[in-house]
Amino acid sequence: KAGVTQTPRYLIKTRGQQVTLSCSPISGHRSVSWYQQTPGQGLQFLFEYFSETQRNKGNFPGRFSGRQFSNSRSEMNVSTLELGDSALYLCASSLEWAGGAAEQFFGPGTRLTVL
Amino acid sequence: DQQVKQNSPSLSVQEGRISILNCDYTNSMFDYFLWYKKYPAEGPTFLISISSIKDKNEDGRFTVFLNKSAKHLSLHIVPSQPGDSAVYFCAARGAGNMLTFGGGTRLMVKP
Repeated sequence: KAGVTQTPRYLIKTRGQQVTLSCSPISGHRSVSWYQQTPGQGLQFLFEYFSETQRNKGNFPGRFSGRQFSNSRSEMNVSTLELGDSALYLCASSLEWAGGAAEQFFGPGTRLTVL
Repeated sequence: DQQVKQNSPSLSVQEGRISILNCDYTNSMFDYFLWYKKYPAEGPTFLISISSIKDKNEDGRFTVFLNKSAKHLSLHIVPSQPGDSAVYFCAARGAGNMLTFGGGTRLMVKP
């Protein structure tokens, strides 16, 4: 079974631009979550999508948004980029059933550099 | 407010010995705990998990212990191998499917 894939792997943008990152979950996984990793803040939860609906959102400004498509693929968008948005953006997918285990499997990440 | 903490930023052990990585949490609503291994510029790799209703889970060389009263969990790796050298993160599942991560512990296993 193929793992979680993320594209692109690397991005360089300038302040004020916007960026869209893409994530394809493991086949059959319906929950997709996004995380940001920075040296200062560590791994932080951005949001989670399930059945095309945002189910949870972390403590990030509205410039960070996302969506999920009917095939469970997900995109996240960051508008008006700031230097502090430079980070490794990780996507994770998981199966979902009530009361069950919810191990999340991560993709390789997209390294975003904002100049 | 750090809800999940890994107080040891680094740990060095000899090959063949036991590695013990620790993690503390404050939120009693967490229902699942997970350990991940991570190399630089890669995504975390899932290692092992434990439900809050259990106190131990074992998978090969990896064992996770959960002490709910102390809000503490630990990962034991026996025997440690040089290939285990990486950064280890503990994570706790809260509302929905949201994971809260600790700051990580860098494990170095010396041959």
